Amino acid sequence: NVLTQSPGTLSLSRGERATLSCWTSQNVRNSNLAWYQQKPGQAPRLLIYGTSTRATGIPDRFSGSGSGTDFTLTISRLQPEDFAVYYCQQYGSSLVTFGGGTKVEIK
Amino acid sequence: QVQLQESGPGLLKPSETLSLTCTVSGASISESYWSWIRQPAGKGLEWIGRIYIGGNTNYSPSLNSRVTMSQDTSKNQLSLKLSFVTAADTAVYYCVRDVNWSIGFGMDVWGQGTTVIVSS
Repeated sequence: NVLTQSPGTLSLSRGERATLSCWTSQNVRNSNLAWYQQKPGQAPRLLIYGTSTRATGIPDRFSGSGSGTDFTLTISRLQPEDFAVYYCQQYGSSLVTFGGGTKVEIK
Repeated sequence: QVQLQESGPGLLKPSETLSLTCTVSGASISESYWSWIRQPAGKGLEWIGRIYIGGNTNYSPSLNSRVTMSQDTSKNQLSLKLSFVTAADTAVYYCVRDVNWSIGFGMDVWGQGTTVIVSS
């Protein structure tokens, strides 16, 4: 199952809304789709699992949605600490796959 | 608080075997799933495989022929071996806890990562 993230880079200003897309080549169960944030020099951090459930400590400006082959991560109002790379991930029956990532940069 | 710490040689020569250990504290390795992820510099994340209850494993098809994962429950440690390494295996390697909540899966705890460089 190939995961394609779009756009590759998103240039936005603080306070703007960010919409990140993740398309999968095969249908994915909602329980099997997650999102991660990674800042330079750091390990990734789990943001969203089960398509729409925020992980512990994740602010409510982060939200996930979607179904089937089309999934979205939305950041409602970008804060300075949100500028990072975001990855979607899917769990198959015995295989895990990541998307190529979307970089959210300061405009 | 669950913590993961990767360790192992940082420099290998082509054709050698990469051998990493992940020491887990704050949780029993017998009670969860554990994955290894790698990330070449400036690139994306690649799942290598996972080990879970009973020492069962799933490996990435692209690495399946070279990967072995194991666990030592007495030491609460996980092990990753990757044989016949090449420069393409140069990356930061992460040990990760893989959780199956009732409503979804996710990797909620990550080690800090260890850099492995393959060079002659």
